[in-house]
Amino acid sequence: NAGVTQTPKFRVLKTGQSMTLLCAQDMNHEYMYWYRQDPGMGLRLIHYSVGEGTTAKGEVPDGYNVSRLKKQNFLLGLESAAPSQTSVYFCASTRSSRSGNTIYFGEGSWLTVV
Amino acid sequence: GNSVTQMEGPVTLSEEAFLTINCTYTATGYPSLFWYVQYPGEGLQLLLKATKADDKGSNKGFEATYRKETTSFHLEKGSVQVSDSAVYFCALSGEGGSEKLVFGKGTKLTVNP
Repeated sequence: NAGVTQTPKFRVLKTGQSMTLLCAQDMNHEYMYWYRQDPGMGLRLIHYSVGEGTTAKGEVPDGYNVSRLKKQNFLLGLESAAPSQTSVYFCASTRSSRSGNTIYFGEGSWLTVV
Repeated sequence: GNSVTQMEGPVTLSEEAFLTINCTYTATGYPSLFWYVQYPGEGLQLLLKATKADDKGSNKGFEATYRKETTSFHLEKGSVQVSDSAVYFCALSGEGGSEKLVFGKGTKLTVNP
């Protein structure tokens, strides 16, 4: 039972480099999300998707792009990494828009930008 | 917009002590309310939830009651264990779609033997 899987788990980038975080879920969920977690800030929504081929901006989308080409995958891209993007990134998914549905989280990806 | 305010930590308790972590929310309509727990080095796990007023969510000895009159969803446990040491997040999702979760800032709990 894999659930939500994120890769890579750890990464160190230099300022200006690009990278992609991959999120995969095997629960046939429609909705997927990318959050970032920073000390004292809780989790903040970066981008989300309500289905294959759709994406939307969350609370803190600047500096990130996303794609949902396949239902099971949700990619988060950093085109030109900045030290302010040092954070822990969490992917999450849920079945539908019915209020109260459980949202499942991946184990996190620790990103450091130097 | 929707928001969640939860008691800031850190909270340090002795084993078998009573735990309360306060959470209040601002939202239109009837949101669903959640408590998530994050153990060191891990992702978030759903601890409990409530989807309508006066519902009580419970799991692993933890409880929280959805109080619409006070817009609160306080987390309680009668007797904490060392294994309960973690960060606890209160969250809500608004009614009517997209299921975007809005989180509080988290409360770190440390339980000493």
